[in-house]
Amino acid sequence: RKEVEQDPGPFNVPEGATVAFNCTYSNSASQSFFWYRQDCRKEPKLLMSVYSSGNEDGRFTAQLNRASQYISLLIRDSKLSDSATYLCVVSPPDTGGFKTIFGAGTRLFVKA
Amino acid sequence: DTEVTQTPKHLVMGMTNKKSLKCEQHMGHRAMYWYKQKAKKPPELMFVYSYEKLSINESVPSRFSPECPNSSLLNLHLHALQPEDSALYLCASSQDWASGANVLTFGAGSRLTVL
Repeated sequence: RKEVEQDPGPFNVPEGATVAFNCTYSNSASQSFFWYRQDCRKEPKLLMSVYSSGNEDGRFTAQLNRASQYISLLIRDSKLSDSATYLCVVSPPDTGGFKTIFGAGTRLFVKA
Repeated sequence: DTEVTQTPKHLVMGMTNKKSLKCEQHMGHRAMYWYKQKAKKPPELMFVYSYEKLSINESVPSRFSPECPNSSLLNLHLHALQPEDSALYLCASSQDWASGANVLTFGAGSRLTVL
C-alpha cells in the first residue's frame, strides 16, 4: 500500500459544480496534513493546511478523519481557474515535520 | 512572484559535466529542501537542511551533492548524471518548528536535461 494515495482523476466538471477529492494515508501516527495545488509546469503552492476540526477557506473545505486515515478537499462553485492538480501531503511521525510525502495528485479540469 | 528563487531555470548538461543548481530565500526560514519531480509525478523529497545541517538524505545517489553555505542559500552540485536524472528540481523552504507543521514555499524550479 502506498503511503499516500489519491484518485488520479482526471475530474472533468462544469463551472459552478461541487467536487470532492479524497486522500488516504497509511501511517496512523502521521502528524501534519496539507493540500497543495500545482498548475501545469509551475511549482506546488499551499492551498490549505488540514486540521482535525476541519477548516474552510472561501469555497474550499478540508476535513481530516484520523480514525479512517483520510483527508478530503471539497471545492464549491468551481471556477475555470480551479483547473490544476491537487496534491495531498502528509508528514509522517518522528521527522520533525520535515519529511513530506506527496500523493500522486488529482487532476481537475473545470469547463465552461 | 515566488519568494524562493532558483537558478538556472533551465539547464542542459552532458553526462560528464559538473554543474550546480542554486536556491535562495530571504524569508528567514531555517529549513530548506530539494525535491525532484518527473513529468506527471509528484515531487519526491531528496534532501532537507535544518539550521544549515543536513537532516534528511533520502538515499540519493552521490552524483547529487547538496550544500548549504548559509541559512539563505542552498546548492545542489551535479556530477556524472544519467539521462534518467532529467527532471524538474524544486527547492523549498519552511519555518523550522521543533515539532509540528512545516508549510513549504517552493521555488519555480530548475528544469534539467541530461544528454
